[in-house]
Amino acid sequence: QTVVTQEPSLTVSPGGTVTLTCASSTGAVISACFPNWLQQKPGQAPRSLIYSAANKHSWTPARFSGSLLGGKAVLTLSGVQPEDEAEYFCLLHCGGSWVFGGGTKLTVL
Amino acid sequence: QVQLQQSGPGLVRPSQTLSLTCAISGDTVSSNSAGWNWIRQSPSRGLEWLGRTYYRSQWYNEYAISVKSRVVINPDTSKNQFSLQLNSVTPEDTAVYYCTRDVDFQHWGQGTLVTVSS
Repeated sequence: QTVVTQEPSLTVSPGGTVTLTCASSTGAVISACFPNWLQQKPGQAPRSLIYSAANKHSWTPARFSGSLLGGKAVLTLSGVQPEDEAEYFCLLHCGGSWVFGGGTKLTVL
Repeated sequence: QVQLQQSGPGLVRPSQTLSLTCAISGDTVSSNSAGWNWIRQSPSRGLEWLGRTYYRSQWYNEYAISVKSRVVINPDTSKNQFSLQLNSVTPEDTAVYYCTRDVDFQHWGQGTLVTVSS
């Protein structure tokens, strides 16, 4: 069973930059793993921000960007806003099934 | 515009079968580029992918190892929908269940809180 690992929590100051990572126990995360990033705020359903590593939806703020770096999927937030405080989940399909990471709780403080 | 509409009971007795349906509009369950997924979320288990069905000249299914012995996901081309059946449920299966399309995970059902309780 693939295990997808994310930082459990991160704290960033408003206006700052933060990087969230997503690693797979099966090896390097590559584009063929179709990395997705979802945002979830308390009491709400998850909402997709990034798909296929780096693609944004029409509603994804420009300050969010996705990439692959050092064998991991990476979500970068530049110019963080208070409303970015949320939990972020990555989702990978590296080996025959989709697997969620445990989520990163991002605090904006 | 793709829309997914979930239906099914919110209460299931222990040892019984949980059954949910996801009706698709704006796309087809037989799409050659989409997969049709079921995901659940609970405080104890977090977000958990359960499985998917997809069509690539023939039908395929993929299931999470954690539920593989108890889960069936079926397409229904006549109604353009897909279903989830989870057998032998326990209170641990209490969760919010979502259907979603994995082209880009843009489209989700509204979520169904399913409680397993006697």
